[in-house]
Amino acid sequence: AQSVTQLGSHVSVSEGALVLLRCNYSSSVPPYLFWYVQYPNQGLQLLLKYTSAATLVKGINGFEAEFKKSETSFHLTKPSAHMSDAAEYFCAVSAPGGGADGLTFGKGTHLIIQP
Amino acid sequence: GAVVSQHPSWVICKSGTSVKIECRSLDFQATTMFWYRQFPKQSLMLMATSNEGSKATYEQGVEKDKFLINHASLTLSTLTVTSAHPEDSSFYICSARPGLAGLGELFFGEGSRLTVL
Repeated sequence: AQSVTQLGSHVSVSEGALVLLRCNYSSSVPPYLFWYVQYPNQGLQLLLKYTSAATLVKGINGFEAEFKKSETSFHLTKPSAHMSDAAEYFCAVSAPGGGADGLTFGKGTHLIIQP
Repeated sequence: GAVVSQHPSWVICKSGTSVKIECRSLDFQATTMFWYRQFPKQSLMLMATSNEGSKATYEQGVEKDKFLINHASLTLSTLTVTSAHPEDSSFYICSARPGLAGLGELFFGEGSRLTVL
């Protein structure tokens, strides 16, 4: 069984400041991990994914995440926040290769960018 | 990346009627598609796994007779909400995974917002 915990349902940062969204996972097998972004009334867009290759993963829009097995974490960061980053962010986990299973999502973190 | 399209984006219906939502993979074939439901300001909950040519697999607590899923081809899955009631109002999102690639990544449709009056 797999689960994801996202710490903080809301995170507020100033424009230009560091963005840090936290994600911890639980998995009985080596996981695949994902970060998705959702804008209002839209589907989900993949930001980045970890699939057992490099532990530091770079994604779109300047985001990156580091897989830390010892901490069972996959936190999402961006050095400098932009107003357009305001959205809902979901961390998700799946079994390696995905298989026949869908993803297990965290509860999401709403990112607020202060001007 | 791969494209998944949903239709309609918005639908409003009267209580007791049925509503069909389509999910299409536009540039890849998907033997498996997933249907999620999202309540306001909440995460996505997997409702069912749609399997091409066979019966869908429903998650615990999801009514099979309420949410009918048909996966008639490798590019189309449909979700029919039967005898809809206001509590069925929600945002429904489908997703699919390309067969040979994608390394577990799911591609999502734009979502369909259902409002039952």
